[in-house]
Amino acid sequence: EDQVTQSPEALRLQEGESSSLNCSYTVSGLRGLFWYRQDPGKGPEFLFTLYSAGEEKEKERLKATLTKKESFLHITAPKPEDSATYLCAVQARTGGGNKLTFGTGTQLKVEL
Amino acid sequence: DGGITQSPKYLFRKEGQNVTLSCEQNLNHDAMYWYRQDPGQGLRLIYYSQIVNDFQKGDIAEGYSVSREKKESFPLTVTSAQKNPTAFYLCASSFNRGWETQYFGPGTRLLVL
Repeated sequence: EDQVTQSPEALRLQEGESSSLNCSYTVSGLRGLFWYRQDPGKGPEFLFTLYSAGEEKEKERLKATLTKKESFLHITAPKPEDSATYLCAVQARTGGGNKLTFGTGTQLKVEL
Repeated sequence: DGGITQSPKYLFRKEGQNVTLSCEQNLNHDAMYWYRQDPGQGLRLIYYSQIVNDFQKGDIAEGYSVSREKKESFPLTVTSAQKNPTAFYLCASSFNRGWETQYFGPGTRLLVL
């Protein structure tokens, strides 16, 4: 069974204080790993897709990396508007329906 | 503007009542999905459809039903058989080539009176 574990559950940072969020996964052959951002009461917003170990992608203050067992979302010099819940999901090569298995998310709060 | 719309934003269900959540997309996506989100749990797949007139059960399909008569639309009915329907329901869509990103709608919050 595919599993995704995200840590920490919650993270409080000062503005400008860089940190990383972790997503550990077990999957029967990884097709893709996805990062989403979710604001309270809204649907998840797509950030990145990573397909193979060693791959990295960047967008503004966010950088996502992937190894064979985990992914990191690095946040550099965060601002209050980066406060949100960050979700990680994996898609396996086997099984039907393009199914995504989600972690429970990391709730990030960035304070002035 | 291309996107996914869900309605209503809030929905109230009485005991024994069936309710239907709407999901429409104009992204020309082939595949559509319904997820349920509960506090402290990851999103869980209810049903998915990869093509018109065909759909498959996800991990938690009991108490739910769907239809896919048009490419753009994938309504979800929460039946009276669903004993714990209070949750945030999210619709998503994607192209159907296996590795495609799923994009989400704004969600519908279902509450039981």
